[in-house]
Amino acid sequence: SAVISQKPSRDICQRGTSLTIQCQVDSQVTMMFWYRQQPGQSLTLIATANQGSEATYESGFVIDKFPISRPNLTFSTLTVSNMSPEDSSIYLCSVRTEVGNEKLFFGSGTQLSVL
Amino acid sequence: GENVEQHPSTLSVQEGDSAVIKCTYSDSASNYFPWYKQELGKGPQLIIDIRSNVGEKKDQRIAVTLNKTAKHFSLHITETQPEDSAVYFCAARGYGQNFVFGPGTRLSVLP
Repeated sequence: SAVISQKPSRDICQRGTSLTIQCQVDSQVTMMFWYRQQPGQSLTLIATANQGSEATYESGFVIDKFPISRPNLTFSTLTVSNMSPEDSSIYLCSVRTEVGNEKLFFGSGTQLSVL
Repeated sequence: GENVEQHPSTLSVQEGDSAVIKCTYSDSASNYFPWYKQELGKGPQLIIDIRSNVGEKKDQRIAVTLNKTAKHFSLHITETQPEDSAVYFCAARGYGQNFVFGPGTRLSVLP
C-alpha cells in the first residue's frame, strides 16, 4: 500500500471563496484520483489526475469548478472554486500504486464545510 | 454503465455474532470487487477484495464470497467486535473502467 497524506484535514470556508486541497503520497504511483463524499453518501469520482496533462473529469464535474494539478508522480491538488454550501463534503484523494495492481487506496480525506 | 446496490443500509448485531452485507452489480464484465471500511472521520480502508476468477477469499475474521452467475458478492464478518462498527462500502470494477461504489452499510456492534 501507500501512505497518502491530505491537507487540510478539515476547513470551514465562506461562500464564494476557493480552497485548495493537497495530496502527497510517500511513493510514486501510477494513478491518482479525486472523490467526493457528500454527507451520509457514497463515493463519487470527480476526476482522474493525470501527470503533466489536464485531468479527466467525470460527468457532472468541470474543470472551472474543480481544477486539478498533478505536477509529478507523488503529488496532486484539487481546488474547489467559488464555493457554495452544496460543496460541503468530504474530498478524498486516492491512488493506484502500480500497473496491473487493481487495489485502490484512499487518503484520510478533507472535511469541507461551506457557510 | 455499472450499478452497484448494497443491503442492508444499516445493520446491528450483538458482539460475537456474525454480520453479512450483500452487494449486487449489473455489468457482467466487472471482474474486481473490493470492500472498504470507513470509520468516522477517516478515509475508506481496503479490508478485502476478490477477483472474478475466485469464488471465496478469507482473511482471519472476514471473508468475501462471489457468485458471478447471480452477479452478487457478500462480506462476512465473524465473531464481531465493537471495533468492527463502521460504514462498509462494496465496489465493482471492470477492466479499464473506474470503480463504482455501493451506497454503504452502517454496521453497529453492540457490546
